[in-house]
Amino acid sequence: QKEVEQNSGPLSVPEGAIASLNCTYSDRVSQSFFWYRQYSGKSPELIMSIYSNGDKEDGRFTAQLNKASQYVSLLIRDSQPSDSATYLCAGMFSGGYNKLIFGAGTRLAVHP
Amino acid sequence: EPEVTQTPSHQVTQMGQEVILRCVPISNHLYFYWYRQILGQKVEFLVSFYNNEISEKSEIFDDQFSVERPDGSNFTLKIRSTKLEDSAMYFCASSVAGLNEQYFGPGTRLTVT
Repeated sequence: QKEVEQNSGPLSVPEGAIASLNCTYSDRVSQSFFWYRQYSGKSPELIMSIYSNGDKEDGRFTAQLNKASQYVSLLIRDSQPSDSATYLCAGMFSGGYNKLIFGAGTRLAVHP
Repeated sequence: EPEVTQTPSHQVTQMGQEVILRCVPISNHLYFYWYRQILGQKVEFLVSFYNNEISEKSEIFDDQFSVERPDGSNFTLKIRSTKLEDSAMYFCASSVAGLNEQYFGPGTRLTVT
């Protein structure tokens, strides 16, 4: 059974700080990972994808993947109150025919 | 920017009734998906669809569920005889290719009474 685990939070950070969100997964044979942002009552919105080991940066966001440690993270620099949302980590695993397996999400609260 | 659209935004139905949820994927995308999210729970995969066939389905996707691409733009999810536990947000998603990013529609909130 492939699982994606996240700390439910809430993670509270002051405006302008770096928010660090983490995710672990259970299956070594991973393909790729995705970070989605979900505001309350809304649908998941894709923020980042990462397919290989290392870091990937896009604006204020950096995704990190470490396949040996089965660990994915998302850093949000210069956090804004508008970043307050639930962040979902999702993995795509071999043999999964493209289905995403989601973690339960981490709630981020950025306070002014 | 192209986006996935879904109708209706909210559907209320009685237990045992049939419902059809509709989606229009992004126009150049080839892979289509349905997910659901029960209130307060994880987003769960239901089914993936490519080349007019189901690629994979989860244990949730039993004989009461079916999917169809009736024309070149729409992608539908049918629940034949709804149960109370089918109450959830249903999200349609699409991707250009199988291993690529999946983009989600706004969802349909299904309430079964």
